[in-house]
Amino acid sequence: AQKVTQAQTEISVVEKEDVTLDCVYETRDTTYYLFWYKQPPSGELVFLIRRNSFDEQNEISGRYSWNFQKSTSSFNFTITASQVVDSAVYFCALSNSGAGSYQLTFGKGTKLSVIP
Amino acid sequence: IAGITQAPTSQILAAGRRMTLRCTQDMRHNAMYWYRQDLGLGLRLIHYSNTAGTTGKGEVPDGYSVSRANTDDFPLTLASAVPSQTSVYFCASSPNPGQASYEQYFGPGTRLTVT
Repeated sequence: AQKVTQAQTEISVVEKEDVTLDCVYETRDTTYYLFWYKQPPSGELVFLIRRNSFDEQNEISGRYSWNFQKSTSSFNFTITASQVVDSAVYFCALSNSGAGSYQLTFGKGTKLSVIP
Repeated sequence: IAGITQAPTSQILAAGRRMTLRCTQDMRHNAMYWYRQDLGLGLRLIHYSNTAGTTGKGEVPDGYSVSRANTDDFPLTLASAVPSQTSVYFCASSPNPGQASYEQYFGPGTRLTVT
């Protein structure tokens, strides 16, 4: 069975601080995909990034960066110089690549509050 | 604007009543999904559909049914609502159910309260 653990339920940081959101996953598949979604206070779910299990390169997009380490089954998300607009619930998710339907398994989310 | 619409936005429902949550997408995606989001539990899959005419059960299907008569619509029905079905319901879609690499696109959600 697949499992995604986001151990940090809530995090508060002061604006301009860096913050890392942790994600640890479990899967028996050798090919899988990892995702991060953002859910701002307005409630919609916004796709942030997708990473496949064969690509362990870190990725940077503006103030956002992702560190994928297969050896520790982790896919952590760092926000540099946080801003109030980053306040949201962030979900890490895992899917496999089996034929037919696949299912996204979500972590329980980390609520990030950025204080001005 | 292409995307997923859900209706209603919110609803208060008496226990025992029947309710259908509507979901429509205009992206011609093959796969569609229903999730429920509960505080502290994240999103859990209720039902899915790989393509029109097929459906499958997710992690928490009990008390819910779905149908997929065409590509665009994927309604979720609560035959006899119970208070434990109070939740926020999200509909999602993705282009190809056989490819795990595709992200899922989510609708705005329906907030349902069963009293």
